[in-house]
Amino acid sequence: KNEVEQSPQNLTAQEGEFITINCSYSVGISALHWLQQHPGGGIVSLFMLSSGKKKHGRLIATINIQEKHSSLHITASHPRDSAVYICAVFPNYGGSQGNLIFGKGTKLSVKP
Amino acid sequence: DAGVTQSPTHLIKTRGQQVTLRCSPKSGHDTVSWYQQALGQGPQFIFQYYEEEERQRGNFPDRFSGHQFPNYSSELNVNALLLGDSALYLCASSLVGTGGSETFGSGTRLTVV
Repeated sequence: KNEVEQSPQNLTAQEGEFITINCSYSVGISALHWLQQHPGGGIVSLFMLSSGKKKHGRLIATINIQEKHSSLHITASHPRDSAVYICAVFPNYGGSQGNLIFGKGTKLSVKP
Repeated sequence: DAGVTQSPTHLIKTRGQQVTLRCSPKSGHDTVSWYQQALGQGPQFIFQYYEEEERQRGNFPDRFSGHQFPNYSSELNVNALLLGDSALYLCASSLVGTGGSETFGSGTRLTVV
């Protein structure tokens, strides 16, 4: 079982829809990243979270440390939001920080 | 302020050859991590360099080696290339002690034929 699981793997939405992508992890963490990867490969960091909720424009990320779960929400989705969204965690091994562990990503396609 | 720069962007090599990929970190960053991303998969950690030394290493064979220079830039070398080494290689930089805030490059797409 992967230490970081994302759902769904693929998501198709109509422009304007509210989108939720989920991430569950099985290790203790010091931080969680939500990343966006467009075709061609470059990765952009959207959020880094260690607790609570962050908002940037139409994007909202939440994390529940006790439940080891995070969600990424996109409000009023647009075709330019089409990309792969990746959840990645920094594991905390008894106070020693490990390196990023990535989920497999959620491929989002927003249709006009 | 330039972000993380990787070169080349695309590369085609033959099985058995050797390849060197390059990464310049974001200005002000001193730590460089390398990741391999196979098609349809999430990135996998290869290794991390800090103060010109390999600080941590993932589950990759010794064919994968690296180097960090005094200006913090880094190289990833892969010897005896296999078809399975075909992937996107991502470099990320950070500043030690900042708790995981990494900036990613656009990657180098390596195809082994």
